[in-house]
Amino acid sequence: GAVVSQHPSRVICKSGTSVKIECRSLDFQATTMFWYRQFPKKSLMLMATSNEGSKATYEQGVEKDKFLINHASLTLSTLTVTSAHPEDSSFYICSASGVASGRHSSYNEQFFGPGTRLTVL
Amino acid sequence: AQTVTQSQPEMSVQEAETVTLSCTYDTSESDYYLFWYKQPPSRQMILVIRQEAYKQQNATENRFSVNFQKAAKSFSLKISDSQLGDAAMYFCAYSTGNQFYFGTGTSLTVIP
Repeated sequence: GAVVSQHPSRVICKSGTSVKIECRSLDFQATTMFWYRQFPKKSLMLMATSNEGSKATYEQGVEKDKFLINHASLTLSTLTVTSAHPEDSSFYICSASGVASGRHSSYNEQFFGPGTRLTVL
Repeated sequence: AQTVTQSQPEMSVQEAETVTLSCTYDTSESDYYLFWYKQPPSRQMILVIRQEAYKQQNATENRFSVNFQKAAKSFSLKISDSQLGDAAMYFCAYSTGNQFYFGTGTSLTVIP
């Protein structure tokens, strides 16, 4: 399958600071990227869907001013947690769908990054 | 609204035995896709198997197979000859259009 990377894998920050998480599709053009949040031993909660070159679509209850998503190119999407607080501590996972090298990855298949663990002190 | 239900929060299986994980979903769509994902302790989501709703034949991938019952909206995963490396969280997922819905997950323990 296609490869999606996330950086950083772990980040610890102080309350009130902003943190940026990068999601890259390494061998395909990701027309759509998804950002999820996962609490311990829980399922993935979709936060937002972003299409390259357009504004992200946020799920109900997700603050768009707090979780800034940028999908400026077909291989990169970023999630910025602004003015982070301890309750924002979580595991954040991105996924991408698009045209994979050698075969078509339809919108019905997602390739997941390895996740980023955010700890806000 | 589309929902995905996994009624077994935890399951266990003896090594080399077979286990079946349950999943039901609710939808009014006729064209959709169903998936089983594995999330090991590393937290990396790994696609185990995928089923297209228009296909009647159940998907298989080596030791993994599904029992897809479209009328019953059921999509169970069977793991044969269980191995220690199969221990993980398993998520059932449903997709249509650009929407993707996950179940709550089943934690599978493999007993040596």
